[in-house]
Amino acid sequence: DAKTTQPPSMDCAEGRAANLPCNHSTISGNEYVYWYRQIHSQGPQYIIHGLKNNETNEMASLIITEDRKSSTLILPHATLRDTAVYYCIVRVATDFGNEKLTFGTGTRLTIIP
Amino acid sequence: DAGVTQSPTHLIKTRGQQVTLRCSPKSGHDTVSWYQQALGQGPQFIFQYYEEEERQRGNFPDRFSGHQFPNYSSELNVNALLLGDSALYLCASSLRLSPLHFGNGTRLTVT
Repeated sequence: DAKTTQPPSMDCAEGRAANLPCNHSTISGNEYVYWYRQIHSQGPQYIIHGLKNNETNEMASLIITEDRKSSTLILPHATLRDTAVYYCIVRVATDFGNEKLTFGTGTRLTIIP
Repeated sequence: DAGVTQSPTHLIKTRGQQVTLRCSPKSGHDTVSWYQQALGQGPQFIFQYYEEEERQRGNFPDRFSGHQFPNYSSELNVNALLLGDSALYLCASSLRLSPLHFGNGTRLTVT
């Protein structure tokens, strides 16, 4: 799996958009970008994933650069409940192997009131 | 619709003992994976079960073993516990290419 690089920590004001970057310069053509987050004392929570097109769901938007070497997770209107560690993971999606995710240390996002 | 449930939530064991952790997958999911998360680190993949067989395994010793039952629930067993086995153990379930759904884990402390 391709390696990802994320800043260790970020702050964002409540109500503003939180933009979390991720570098994955060695990503392969068939690798997806996944984002999970982990709120203190809970298990990781799936947020969004994409291959090369930008994606949006009820939680967030995922912007992937044209060369696919980096991506940005956008939380459009951050709330205090969005304070968590955010993990960017790249993975080939197959019938077996989708479950073997390689987590790094992620970005600790703190939402400031 | 219940999500992934794990039991117990907390457990304290002594070095050398054996432990069994349990997981019930999200309704409709047939694949269970187990992860170990040490303090301050991201989760690390232990193994995956599908159709009652271990399909993939991470870099963990044979002291770590598992089982999946016909109802898709799963157990993680760790023998000869070491202090370094103290961690949060996470169970995740999925169905084919769906994203993983994680439980809130079992916090294991080895003294």
